[in-house]
Amino acid sequence: QKEVEQNSGPLSVPEGAIASLNCTYSDRGSQSFFWYRQYSGKSPELIMFIYSNGDKEDGRFTAQLNKASQYVSLLIRDSQPSDSATYLCAVIATYQAGTALIFGKGTTLSVSS
Amino acid sequence: EADIYQTPRYLVIGTGKKITLECSQTMGHDKMYWYQQDPGMELHLIHYSYGVNSTEKGDLSSESTVSRIRTEHFPLTLESARPSHTSQYLCASQDRDFYEQYFGPGTRLTVT
Repeated sequence: QKEVEQNSGPLSVPEGAIASLNCTYSDRGSQSFFWYRQYSGKSPELIMFIYSNGDKEDGRFTAQLNKASQYVSLLIRDSQPSDSATYLCAVIATYQAGTALIFGKGTTLSVSS
Repeated sequence: EADIYQTPRYLVIGTGKKITLECSQTMGHDKMYWYQQDPGMELHLIHYSYGVNSTEKGDLSSESTVSRIRTEHFPLTLESARPSHTSQYLCASQDRDFYEQYFGPGTRLTVT
């Protein structure tokens, strides 16, 4: 059973700080990793994906991947109250008929102004 | 913005009723998925489809069934609703060449 583990939080940071969200995964063969943001009562939306070891930056967001340690993280710089949401880590899993995403439980981030 | 729709958005229904949750997408995506999510919990894959007449069960055992007669339409049916089916149901679609999944707004189901 493939698993994706996240600290459920809540993670509380002041406005302007760096928020660091972490995720570990069990399948060493996993190649592709995704971060989704889910506001309360809303659907998840993709904010970043990463395939290669190292860092990938997109605006205030940086995804970091370390396949040897089976660890992927998301850094949010200059955190804003609008970043307050649950962040879901997802990895691709192989099923009988193809592939699908497996999601972690998510980490709830609270940014205070 | 993704063009994927779910109806109804909210449904309160009594035990034993048959219900169908609708999901449609206008992006021509081959892959479609149904997830179940309880408050504060992770998304669980319950069904997926890789194209017309293709449906498979996911990780979470579910008493629901799905059909895929048209590319754009992926309805989920519960023949006899029970309180244990109370949850949020999220539909998603994905282009065959990319891994990004687009989610619909969800249906929040309450079975009394």
